[in-house]
Amino acid sequence: EADIYQTPRYLVIGTGKKITLECSQTMGHDKMYWYQQDPGMELHLIHYSYGVNSTEKGDLSSESTVSRIRTEHFPLTLESARPSHTSQYLCASSERENNEQFFGPGTRLTVL
Amino acid sequence: GQNIDQPTEMTATEGAIVQINCTYQTSGFNGLFWYQQHAGEAPTFLSYNVLDGLEEKGRFSSFLSRSKGYSYLLLKELQMKDSASYLCAVMDSNYQLIWGAGTKLIIKP
Repeated sequence: EADIYQTPRYLVIGTGKKITLECSQTMGHDKMYWYQQDPGMELHLIHYSYGVNSTEKGDLSSESTVSRIRTEHFPLTLESARPSHTSQYLCASSERENNEQFFGPGTRLTVL
Repeated sequence: GQNIDQPTEMTATEGAIVQINCTYQTSGFNGLFWYQQHAGEAPTFLSYNVLDGLEEKGRFSSFLSRSKGYSYLLLKELQMKDSASYLCAVMDSNYQLIWGAGTKLIIKP
């Protein structure tokens, strides 16, 4: 069973607030990912990391930042939340040599 | 551009067999994944194909034809708990996953 955790599970926040979505994994995986998914739609890659101090932008990264100071931790920060950020955010991880991605339970974000 | 196509929704009967198709056009190919996603939950891994042919795993099988840019997921002996979305994803030349929008499978008694 995958050990990847996300907090909070649900968040309702006002426009303009700064928020950080937490993601941690205890599997020692080198690779970690953040996806955004709207209901019935495909996953879109926001950011990814191949190891400590390594971060790259995906398709929808322009309004968020990530950091990877420790292998197990990959937080996502929105500097100024907007209603267009309302979505589900999924964190995933995978081993260096294995492409199977394990997903966390997700954070459902609503920006009013 | 890169594109993954799969039907939006399918309906099948409990105990029957259903085949969910996926066609893809991507910049490079490093494998194709199928994931299952129940409503409101995270995706869970079902299968991975990188070579042509059929991979069988219990009630689920996945087929790949790289020359045709085509895969299918075959679910046998359908159970009510199989009601979910099934996501097709292709790993491109940069080892990034390109995701389809998913096929919502509805199982009727």
